[in-house]
Amino acid sequence: DIQMTQSPASLSASLGETVTIECRASEDIYSNLAWYQQKPGNSPQLLIYDANSLADGVPSRFSGSGSGTHYSLKINSLQSEDVASFFCQQYNNYPNTFGAGTKLELK
Amino acid sequence: QVQLQQSGAELVKPGSSVKISCKASGYTFTSYDMHWIKQQPGNGLEWIGWIYPGNGNNKYNQKFNGKATLTADKSSSTAYMQLSSLTSEDSAVYFCARGLPGYKNDVMDAWGQGASVTVSS
Repeated sequence: DIQMTQSPASLSASLGETVTIECRASEDIYSNLAWYQQKPGNSPQLLIYDANSLADGVPSRFSGSGSGTHYSLKINSLQSEDVASFFCQQYNNYPNTFGAGTKLELK
Repeated sequence: QVQLQQSGAELVKPGSSVKISCKASGYTFTSYDMHWIKQQPGNGLEWIGWIYPGNGNNKYNQKFNGKATLTADKSSSTAYMQLSSLTSEDSAVYFCARGLPGYKNDVMDAWGQGASVTVSS
């Protein structure tokens, strides 16, 4: 199975700040990577797929980048409603696998 | 709009089975894969498998072979997951999620609210 390693595990940032979350795959996943946001008590919601394609309805302050084994999610101008856990997922090989998550809090 | 409505919380005994439902609305149920994902408290997400309701084709994470069985009822637009021989390790929240159409089917663009399963004697 492909292992997905996310960093950091937790993050504290201020309103208006830019935040970056990293995800590293144990092998090349050819940009077959998605990012999900899970707000407290809710189900995950799709943010990004194909490493850099914004899902429908997702604010443009979210962006994704990367290739090969190294990917990142960037949140510009952090808003209070962005407090959540974020998960990356590779879908290059079965089984689909997720990172352990990054918990984002407000400072 | 796309909605996935899951069944309620379950408290079940070790060694028993449980069947969770996921009723879809707002789209053509038979044209999209339905995925199932496990989330244990404080843990990340674990993919269980998908079923394509149009023809019943499925794909499982080998880890869940013999544990999870995915089915779908086209007449009621409802997907089901049965979990068998339950142990405390199966206590978790289980989500259903719709896959994108076509070859991006492993990207999950709509999720149910989750169904909690607690295994306890």
